[in-house]
This record gives sequence, structure tokens and C-alpha cells, in this order.
Amino acid sequence: SQQGEEDPQALSIQEGENATMNCSYKTSINNLQWYRQNSGRGLVHLILIRSNEREKHSGRLRVTLDTSKKSSSLLITASRAADTASYFCATRGVTSGTYKYIFGTGTRLKVLA
Amino acid sequence: DAMVIQNPRYQVTQFGKPVTLSCSQTLNHNVMYWYQQKSSQAPKLLFHYYDKDFNNEADTPDNFQSRRPNTSFCFLDIRSPGLGDAAMYLCATSKRTGSRTDTQYFGPGTRLTVL
Repeated sequence: SQQGEEDPQALSIQEGENATMNCSYKTSINNLQWYRQNSGRGLVHLILIRSNEREKHSGRLRVTLDTSKKSSSLLITASRAADTASYFCATRGVTSGTYKYIFGTGTRLKVLA
Repeated sequence: DAMVIQNPRYQVTQFGKPVTLSCSQTLNHNVMYWYQQKSSQAPKLLFHYYDKDFNNEADTPDNFQSRRPNTSFCFLDIRSPGLGDAAMYLCATSKRTGSRTDTQYFGPGTRLTVL
């Protein structure tokens, strides 16, 4: 029942470069969220975008949402070594009567100093 | 600081020996979740509570049970752990909002090893 697929699965960039990761999902959503997970730790919420929004910014993060293509992208600008982590998208369906999110497969980002 | 706490952080058990993982929260959130995450995979939802209302995922094995005695605590019981149950177990909480835009707050996880 996993809904989100992310690509690339892994991404390695130099410090200062931008990192872009993509998420695709299958059914209509109420909102989509991005989370970060440092190795061996819990997830940390980064940003939420509602289904009626197309773009959202938070610091060095930029998220876009295209509901017609059922896809979202997360852009991290001017990356830092501390951005090294796995990034997951999570979607909340419109028809679900319960309070759950479905997580994507994740992108492992490595930022080289 | 308000937070989600999981104990223990690392748990080693033997094949078939029951184990209980615990989660507590000081956020006073009414929804609590348990996820299983295997190496390099997405977190997989096992079940969640909205207050005392228990919601089990259809593909969660019967081997996994949960208890929520009060708002602050939630437990994950694995009745007969198998080698395939070795994973990171993540607890998360959220506060129900009418706009369905609640975000989840995760604990640090418990890494379970089955020998």
C-alpha cells in the first residue's frame, strides 16, 4: 500500500550545490509533507504543502506540487554537509478517514565537504 | 522541551521471546503511531491510535499488538519475534486538526535485534 515513490534513490553532491529530489504518488491527496531522517534516528518534519498550493518555501527549502502529475519536488539550495540525510515525502489522502500518512521510498542525500 | 521518547533505544531479544517497546509523549497529542522501518526502506505504518480508538493496518501481522493505557503512553508488543522483525521501530504523534494538516513528531526510534 506504499503510495510514494522517490527518485533518485541516492544523490551525492558537493557542498554549495543544489539538491533536487522528486516524489510521485498514486491517489488524490489532501497534503504532502517532506521529512528528513539522519542516520539511525527518527524523522523530522521539514515542510507541508497543501493540495491547493503549487509552491512553498522555508529557508533553503523549496517545495513544488503538481497535482495533475501527482508529483512533488524538494529543492535544497546551497547544500551543506549537515544536510546529509535521507529525505522522505509523506502523503495524506483525501478519502482516508483515519489519521495516517503514507511514506515514499526516500532519497539518500550525501553532501561532500 | 515537549517531545516523544522511546525506550529502550536498542533492544536485543531472542527468536520467539516476547518483547515490548515503549513510547511516551509530552505533547498531549491525541494520535499516536507505530512504524516499522527496515534498512534503507520507507517507514511502514503498523497501526495508530486516535485517542483510544485503535486502527490496525490490514497487512500488520497478528504478531504485533499495541496498547495505549493513557494519552501519554503507547506500547508495541511483539509476541513472538522472528528474524524478519529486526528493524527500527518508530513512534510518532500528531494532533488532530480539522484541516487534516497535522504533522507528525517522531521519537528517536528503537532498534530491535533478534538473535
